[in-house]
Amino acid sequence: DVKVTQSSRYLVKRTGEKVFLECVQDMDHENMFWYRQDPGLGLRLIYFSYDVKMKEKGDIPEGYSVSREKKERFSLILESASTNQTSMYLCASSLSVEAFFGQGTRLTVV
Amino acid sequence: KNEVEQSPQNLTAQEGEFITINCSYSVGISALHWLQQHPGGGIVSLFMLSSGKKKHGRLIATINIQEKHSSLHITASHPRDSAVYICAVRGTYKYIFGTGTRLKVLA
Repeated sequence: DVKVTQSSRYLVKRTGEKVFLECVQDMDHENMFWYRQDPGLGLRLIYFSYDVKMKEKGDIPEGYSVSREKKERFSLILESASTNQTSMYLCASSLSVEAFFGQGTRLTVV
Repeated sequence: KNEVEQSPQNLTAQEGEFITINCSYSVGISALHWLQQHPGGGIVSLFMLSSGKKKHGRLIATINIQEKHSSLHITASHPRDSAVYICAVRGTYKYIFGTGTRLKVLA
């Protein structure tokens, strides 16, 4: 079974903190994605990566950056967390068409 | 207008009822997914469709490419089916998601 693992299920951070959300997949997938999910808005793409060291902005990249130093790991970085970044964050990976999702990280910024 | 529209947004059913959730999209796609999200957040892929119909247990998914429409059916619904069901379409690089249908099945 493909496994996509996010490092934390729940996270509480203070405004202004630098926050790292980690995602690891174990199936050698080339494509990895970070989404945030908010009530009434569904999942929105923040960033995606189709290879090591490659990254592309999604629909809502402002306030975020990403890092893909190794194929299996895709990190989402909040340089200075703000309360409007309180959300559920979901990582996904895919080889071609089918996507596999992590369990999600519920981030609260206070 | 959203590129992927789901209906209904919320649905409450009695145990045993037949349930249908609909998804319409307005973009060209290579595949359509039906996803299930339980409380707590984790998402599971139920089906991936590019044409026709798929069945898994009590779940059936259909897609009509010409009409740009897909349906997810649940037969003999059970309280454990209570979840959010999300339709997602795959474009060139990325997925576009519907806002989900929140299903509650009462015992």
